[in-house]
Formats: sequence, structure tokens, C-alpha cells
Amino acid sequence: SSELTQDPAVSVALGQTVRITCQGDSLRRYYASWYQQKPGQAPILVIYGTQNRPSGIPDRFSGSSSGNTASLTITGAQAEDEADYYCNSRDSSNSRDYSGNHRVFGGGTKLTVL
Amino acid sequence: QVQLVESGGGVVQPGRSLRLSCAASGFTFSRYAMHWVRQGPGKGLGWVALIWYDGSNKYYADSVKGRFTISRDNSKNTLYLQMNSLTADDTAVYYCAREAYSSGYYFFDYWGQGTLVTVSS
Repeated sequence: SSELTQDPAVSVALGQTVRITCQGDSLRRYYASWYQQKPGQAPILVIYGTQNRPSGIPDRFSGSSSGNTASLTITGAQAEDEADYYCNSRDSSNSRDYSGNHRVFGGGTKLTVL
Repeated sequence: QVQLVESGGGVVQPGRSLRLSCAASGFTFSRYAMHWVRQGPGKGLGWVALIWYDGSNKYYADSVKGRFTISRDNSKNTLYLQMNSLTADDTAVYYCAREAYSSGYYFFDYWGQGTLVTVSS
């Protein structure tokens, strides 16, 4: 199956901008979504379709994509943004399913706000 | 409001079976594809399985194919995961997640709170 690669950890000073990246072949074909997970909690959706923000997600969260890399940018990071972030996309690399019905997650990035 | 509530987790011996349930409410369950996603202790998220809105198609991660079965009962608004031949590697919090589809985008828009499965002798 395909893989999505994320940096394990990233830090940002309070109020500064941070970019979290996700690399993988599936991103050349499919859109990325991003999930925030705080300790002991279920993940929540923060970005879908590479750059769309669900209602209720602050506009400091944005997404972009180029080639095989998707990015999540937090502009003006806040203390409450400290969390694990996971990218996800459809996956058509499985030999039993070339239609993209499988899904794949990145390994996750732990964001620390200093 | 949309709610997904998992149940059925617990401690099970290696080689045994367990069935998880996910009770859905607040939306028309029969219109949505549903997934199971798991997270091992201290690990990242891992996709497990997908079932289409009508149950007609099912897909599995290689790590569980042949051992796990995803199913649903749209009359009961409930998603299931039958897990057989469990190993220690299956120890994880199991989440059910609703799949949203919008303008060509697929994503998980709602998640349950998760149920813990521990495989141990």
C-alpha cells in the first residue's frame, strides 16, 4: 500500500506561522484531508479537499498542495493548537483495488507551541 | 447533532474474537459510507476498513483482510466490526468515522470517541 510521510515533530513560537507537510504518491492523484488530535480525544477534521476548512475551524488553518506534497499551515499559532496532526488521502496502490477505496494516513506530526 | 458511539471493546486473549459496534444518530445513516480507524498505544492513526452506504462493497487494510469483517445494519443505524484471530498487534483504540463526500472530496467529517481493544493473555 501507499505511504504518506510526515515529520514526526515540529515546534512553533506562539503567534508565529508553522507549516506541516505530508508527502506521498497518492497525493498526486487524490486530495488530502487533515485531522487534529489532542491527547485522549478523537481526531477532528481541520482541512478537506486539500484547502477547504470546515465550519468552526479558525481561519488561521489553511491547506495547500504541490505535486506529491500537501501542506497544513497555521498562521499565528495559538497554545490550543498544540496537538498531533495527521494527513489522509485515498489510496489506489493496493493490488486488489485500483479505484481508491482504500485510505492511508500519514504517521502524524506532533506540534509543540512554545 | 451527529453522534457516533462505539462499544464492545475490552480485553481478549490472542486468537479469540471480538465484535465492535458503532451506534449512529443525528443523521441518515443509510446515506453514508462508514469506516473503522484504529490507533495503537502511542501510535498514529491506521485505516482499517470501509463499507459503502448500502453495504454492497467493503474494503480492508492488508493487515486485517481475512480476519476482520465490516458490516452494517441500516435498520438499526449501527456499524459493526467483527474481529477474528486477534493478535497483540491489534491492540488499539478503534474509532468509527463517517465519510463525507463533497465536490469530489472524500474525508472523515465525524468520529466516535473510540473503544479500546486490548489483546493479551
